[in-house]
Amino acid sequence: AQKITQTQPGMFVQEKEAVTLDCTYDTSDQSYGLFWYKQPSSGEMIFLIYQGSYDEQNATEGRYSLNFQKARKSANLVISASQLGDSAMYFCAMREGRGSQGNLIFGKGTKLSVKP
Amino acid sequence: ETGVTQTPRHLVMGMTNKKSLKCEQHLGHNAMYWYKQSAKKPLELMFVYNFKEQTENNSVPSRFSPECPNSSHLFLHLHTLQPEDSALYLCASSQMRGAANTIYFGEGSWLTVV
Repeated sequence: AQKITQTQPGMFVQEKEAVTLDCTYDTSDQSYGLFWYKQPSSGEMIFLIYQGSYDEQNATEGRYSLNFQKARKSANLVISASQLGDSAMYFCAMREGRGSQGNLIFGKGTKLSVKP
Repeated sequence: ETGVTQTPRHLVMGMTNKKSLKCEQHLGHNAMYWYKQSAKKPLELMFVYNFKEQTENNSVPSRFSPECPNSSHLFLHLHTLQPEDSALYLCASSQMRGAANTIYFGEGSWLTVV
């Protein structure tokens, strides 16, 4: 079974609008971390935001926020006021406290295209 | 400016060549990783080093040989590769290996095997 599921292979958003990228995860661990990364066509994997399993507040970093719904095991990324430079692949990832020895497990990614 | 630097950014090599990918992290981290990203596949973890000791080899063929001389440097030695090994190779580092430790990636090395 997939540990990280990103159901949207591709998404389009108009510049200056908000967009939500979906991510669901599967784990039996109580302690885990959820991460979002951005990968432009150049290849670099850029860390965006982190949410810990025990964090009660949703994480925010500038225009990025993470909509964490623990009971549903979802960790959606919300990008507000989209910019052309936001066009990239976005990966959701999870790091478990045990089991996989803390290694990062990635989803297949969502390709976001921002239209002018 | 990234805290994890990879060289070369692009590499084309023949199947009989020997080459190396280099990674250096300036973040004071203790764990370093090699990941492989092929077209239309999720990132695959290849190797993990924790305090210079290899702690994980994810069933990687022996034609890939990692080396970690210290906590700041990581190499991936390549020899007799196959065309299917063409991919983006990403180096990464983290403070420790626990769930809360963010993994930071370099810019990647694009490898083409001809």
